[in-house]
Amino acid sequence: NAGVTQTPKFRVLKTGQSMTLLCAQDMNHEYMYWYRQDPGMGLRLIHYSVGEGTTAKGEVPDGYNVSRLKKQNFLLGLESAAPSQTSVYFCASSRVLARKETQYFGPGTRLLVL
Amino acid sequence: GQNIDQPTEMTATEGAIVQINCTYQTSGFNGLFWYQQHAGEAPTFLSYNVLDGLEEKGRFSSFLSRSKGYSYLLLKELQMKDSASYLCAVLRPSTGGGNKLTFGTGTQLKVEL
Repeated sequence: NAGVTQTPKFRVLKTGQSMTLLCAQDMNHEYMYWYRQDPGMGLRLIHYSVGEGTTAKGEVPDGYNVSRLKKQNFLLGLESAAPSQTSVYFCASSRVLARKETQYFGPGTRLLVL
Repeated sequence: GQNIDQPTEMTATEGAIVQINCTYQTSGFNGLFWYQQHAGEAPTFLSYNVLDGLEEKGRFSSFLSRSKGYSYLLLKELQMKDSASYLCAVLRPSTGGGNKLTFGTGTQLKVEL
């Protein structure tokens, strides 16, 4: 059981470049999430999905798109990267998000946009 | 708006007890989580409270008062490995379906000899 995995672990982009971050989970979880974590800001929800084929906006969705074509995968896309998107990105999944159902986090992707 | 407040930093001595406070004002409440996050790593689950009172789990305990919008995490018999960031997160209903977590900025705990 690998849990939640993220690809890549680290990436450097130039302003305007695009990239896709991949999140995969092998726990058959329904819910998946993308967060970004910045110093002094805490974890902020970008987008999330409550099931295959569904996505919804979180607190800070601008500049990002997501897709959930398969239950086990949740992709985060940056169409035109900006320096403000330099951050650590965490993916998480949960069976549902109800009483005592915690989120399980991936190891994170460190993104630097120059 | 959603507001979750925690102290930014705390320092404590190995073997001692430390209490990390969290106050919240959110629209909707379905429970409160505490996570531990070591530097450069992912957050990991510590505790969950949805009813008022104390939940104890080994060296870690978490308390909730819904009427006061207040929680604390109590760490006993501190060890050096407890040096980490502790994140308070409130579970709230989501308009997109289900629930979602709103996180505080975290409390960086440093355990010293």
